[in-house]
Amino acid sequence: DGGITQSPKYLFRKEGQNVTLSCEQNLNHDAMYWYRQDPGQGLRLIYYSQIVNDFQKGDIAEGYSVSREKKESFPLTVTSAQKNPTAFYLCASSGQGSETQYFGPGTRLLVL
Amino acid sequence: QKEVEQNSGPLSVPEGAIASLNCTYSDRVSQSFFWYRQYSGKSPELIMSIYSNGDKEDGRFTAQLNKASQYVSLLIRDSQPSDSATYLCAVRRRSGGYQKVTFGTGTKLQVIP
Repeated sequence: DGGITQSPKYLFRKEGQNVTLSCEQNLNHDAMYWYRQDPGQGLRLIYYSQIVNDFQKGDIAEGYSVSREKKESFPLTVTSAQKNPTAFYLCASSGQGSETQYFGPGTRLLVL
Repeated sequence: QKEVEQNSGPLSVPEGAIASLNCTYSDRVSQSFFWYRQYSGKSPELIMSIYSNGDKEDGRFTAQLNKASQYVSLLIRDSQPSDSATYLCAVRRRSGGYQKVTFGTGTKLQVIP
């Protein structure tokens, strides 16, 4: 069964803590993306990666970091520098030559 | 002006009616257009993509694109209560070496039984 998985489904962060959201895909897609969704707002791009070992900042990268060591995996770390991290985080991927992005089920991050 | 604009709704239609969802975009060089459906608390799922002017039909869904007017719409025929969701319009254009996709804030559709 091909698809994109994200874990955990819910994540709680304490003040000053870094947390990492997992995103894995077995679609053999080259490109992967991280978006943040807040109530009443569209999806905003945090980071994207078009190939392994390369990634670029999106529109709201401050307070976040990523890595792309494997084609299948694109984890997102929400650092303590991100002062308003409560949101729904969505990972997406797209294949080479394909313009269509497919989304994982999302991770909801809450601050304790 | 927002890059992609949608009326937030809610748009309420009776069951069996046609729902018409609209989206405008600001960048004339936009190349590809997508409609996603997002149920509450879930991730977006692709409904349709459209690249050329005109209509594209898939089952009960029809996407319409007018590049001259910078307008894309989604028609849902024979609306069902299960169509109640937020519909996101997305627009792709080249930005540097990257194919940037910008999402609208979505239109909430309510289909009344």
